[in-house]
Amino acid sequence: KAGVTQTPRYLIKTRGQQVTLSCSPISGHRSVSWYQQTPGQGLQFLFEYFSETQRNKGNFPGRFSGRQFSNSRSEMNVSTLELGDSALYLCASSLGAMQLFFGEGSRLTVL
Amino acid sequence: GQQVMQIPQYQHVQEGEDFTTYCNSSTTLSNIQWYKQRPGGHPVFLIQLVKSGEVKKQKRLTFQFGEAKKNSSLHITATQTTDVGTYFCAGGDYKLSFGAGTTVTVRA
Repeated sequence: KAGVTQTPRYLIKTRGQQVTLSCSPISGHRSVSWYQQTPGQGLQFLFEYFSETQRNKGNFPGRFSGRQFSNSRSEMNVSTLELGDSALYLCASSLGAMQLFFGEGSRLTVL
Repeated sequence: GQQVMQIPQYQHVQEGEDFTTYCNSSTTLSNIQWYKQRPGGHPVFLIQLVKSGEVKKQKRLTFQFGEAKKNSSLHITATQTTDVGTYFCAGGDYKLSFGAGTTVTVRA
């Protein structure tokens, strides 16, 4: 069974640009969560989607958005990038209120 | 909002020694999960505890959920170099709140 796939794995952007990250969950998993990981803040919850609906949202500004498609694949978008957005963005899928299966992450560097 | 705290932040252990990392929540948790992240890797699920006072073992790792379901601990015996990494606890349901993690280094 294939794991959670995130693309791209690495990317470099400049301030003010926007970025879109993609996540393909494990087959059959309808819940997809996104986390931001930085050395100083640890793993911060961004949002969680289930059957194309955002069920939960963390405390991030509106520049951070996401969506989920009918095949459960998810994307997150960050607009007007800031230096502080440099982080590892992790996607995780699950069957519900159970263990999370994380992808390898997308490492974003903002210059 | 719910906050999950972990101590210590760093644990330097001599190979063969035991250590414990602790997790505390500001609210009662329905369940608690533990994850391990190796350097350069992604978090990998270790275990989930659901019942008050529950104790589960995985080889040299012992996990415990507090009676009040507001704290948890992970005890590792006879630490090995393969135990290197960051251990996270996480509480909640669809919105898991992660602790800051305990980063473990091992002296051979």
